[in-house]
Amino acid sequence: GEDVEQSLFLSVREGDSSVINCTYTDSSSTYLYWYKQEPGAGLQLLTYIFSNMDMKQDQRLTVLLNKKDKHLSLRIADTQTGDSAIYFCAETYGGATNKLIFGTGTLLAVQP
Amino acid sequence: DAGVIQSPRHEVTEMGQEVTLRCKPISGHNSLFWYRQTMMRGLELLIYFNNNVPIDDSGMPEDRFSAKMPNASFSTLKIQPSEPRDSAVYFCASRFTGGEAFFGQGTRLTVV
Repeated sequence: GEDVEQSLFLSVREGDSSVINCTYTDSSSTYLYWYKQEPGAGLQLLTYIFSNMDMKQDQRLTVLLNKKDKHLSLRIADTQTGDSAIYFCAETYGGATNKLIFGTGTLLAVQP
Repeated sequence: DAGVIQSPRHEVTEMGQEVTLRCKPISGHNSLFWYRQTMMRGLELLIYFNNNVPIDDSGMPEDRFSAKMPNASFSTLKIQPSEPRDSAVYFCASRFTGGEAFFGQGTRLTVV
């Protein structure tokens, strides 16, 4: 079955790098996503990666994909207090059926 | 486009009452998702529709929950009768195949 797992909590100091990890089960996923949820709001797309890529960089964000281990990570460089939020990874499960499955979410707390 | 619109934003109801949550997806999107978010269980996929047709409702907790999508611009999630354990934030999201999923602001449901 489909399953996306993440660690629940990460605490870092302002200016340090944050690395949020995710494992997924569906090897046929075409896209993998990272979403951010700020308090009291819905989820917003941060970045995504195609399954044929190993890495994608977007300003302070770096996404690494290890297809063999079905492991996805999000690195945030120079973490700021405004980065404090819940981060969700998601995979498209089932190919053409378009089902979008989210992980449990990782709460990132940035200490000043 | 105003994005995914959910109503109401907040709902407080008494146990046993019927609750109806509403969602207007983004025009042109062909998939619509209903998610439930709680502290204990994270973000759970309840049901999703492709081209107004329910594809997978395996996440619907029990028969008290039902969802409809009578046309491409409207969906409802109904709980009858409601119970305190249904208290959560319910999100609706829409996307076009393979594209980014856009989330509504959510409906915070409290059943007392």
